[in-house]
Amino acid sequence: DQQVKQNSPSLSVQEGRISILNCDYTNSMFDYFLWYKKYPAEGPTFLISISSIKDKNEDGRFTVFLNKSAKHLSLHIVPSQPGDSAVYFCAASAHPMDSNYQLIWGAGTKLIIKP
Amino acid sequence: DGGITQSPKYLFRKEGQNVTLSCEQNLNHDAMYWYRQDPGQGLRLIYYSQIVNDFQKGDIAEGYSVSREKKESFPLTVTSAQKNPTAFYLCASSPVWRVNTEAFFGQGTRLTVV
Repeated sequence: DQQVKQNSPSLSVQEGRISILNCDYTNSMFDYFLWYKKYPAEGPTFLISISSIKDKNEDGRFTVFLNKSAKHLSLHIVPSQPGDSAVYFCAASAHPMDSNYQLIWGAGTKLIIKP
Repeated sequence: DGGITQSPKYLFRKEGQNVTLSCEQNLNHDAMYWYRQDPGQGLRLIYYSQIVNDFQKGDIAEGYSVSREKKESFPLTVTSAQKNPTAFYLCASSPVWRVNTEAFFGQGTRLTVV
């Protein structure tokens, strides 16, 4: 039972265009969401996060949107650059003070930026 | 340079043998984690440690063991009881055990049972 789903295993986007990576979750108790980026042969690195009290968080070319009613979040990369080619993981967690808190991870989406 | 180091990068094990994966961090982080990644799946938590001398089971702890005798080190032992140990293992750390603190990951160890 996957609580965090990234339904697109891969996505190909032209350089300079917008990349949109999607993530759906099923647990309504999740209230904090993170995106990580992973290059081959490296560990994931933190990219951007959003709390459920917000519906948008922006950091440079990266923006995450949260739609709580749809249990959906998306990561927008504008403009897409060749260095953005990587696997992107979505992760979610419940209340930070929950002693059993842990991150639940999606399976990842491989983004390919075409020159 | 501060960071988190996993070794070895590739590891081969014969069936029935125990093997230990190393994870060291010099970030002065309290919390450390072990994850397992299988093809087409997200990271799954094996064990975590909120502080030195303490550790807790994650979702898939069966067949694994850990220790946290030093703040910097969190080794993972894959025992012969783990039925399907071939996978990519990731170690991570974070300053504290708190949701709004992003984790820093090592480069991973790919374990193959031969």
